[in-house]
Amino acid sequence: KAGVTQTPRYLIKTRGQQVTLSCSPISGHRSVSWYQQTPGQGLQFLFEYFSETQRNKGNFPGRFSGRQFSNSRPEMNVSTLELGDSALYLCASSFVAGAVTDTQYFGPGTRLTVL
Amino acid sequence: AQSVTQLDSQVPVFEEAPVELRCNYSSSVSVYLFWYVQYPNQGLQLLLKYLSGSTLVESINGFEAEFNKSQTSFHLRKPSVHISDTAEYFCAVSEAAGNKLTFGGGTRVLVKP
Repeated sequence: KAGVTQTPRYLIKTRGQQVTLSCSPISGHRSVSWYQQTPGQGLQFLFEYFSETQRNKGNFPGRFSGRQFSNSRPEMNVSTLELGDSALYLCASSFVAGAVTDTQYFGPGTRLTVL
Repeated sequence: AQSVTQLDSQVPVFEEAPVELRCNYSSSVSVYLFWYVQYPNQGLQLLLKYLSGSTLVESINGFEAEFNKSQTSFHLRKPSVHISDTAEYFCAVSEAAGNKLTFGGGTRVLVKP
């Protein structure tokens, strides 16, 4: 079974711009979570989508958003970029059966640099 | 709210020596526990997990972790490390009914020849 993939792997943007990151979950996985990893704050949960619905949200400003439609790959968007948004953004997918959520499997991440 | 503390930020260890990475958590509800490993410039790979049942869980590459509910710990051990075990290791928890992972700060393991 193919793993989680993310595109692009590396991205350079300037302050004030917006960016869209894409994720391809493992086939059959309907839950996709996003995390931000920085040297200072470590790994922090951004949000989780189950099918097309946001099910959980972390403590990030509204500039960070996600979307997940049945006919397209899950994406996350960051608007009005700030220097502090420079980070590795990780996508993770998991299988959900009823009320039970299985293990999260992570992609390699997208390294975003904001200049 | 949940929190995870990894007590050591860095652990240098010689090849073929044992290693223990400490993880303590706090939560008001039942939790699932995980150890992930991150090699340089890569994403996170699941090492092992505790969901229920036996408190001792093992991975295919020689790591093991023991869930201790009374001490709220989930320490990771390997009896003999290899150079290839050099990586950063993350302990994480999630609520039994949810999917949000809360991570510890990570422990860098440097295996020396």
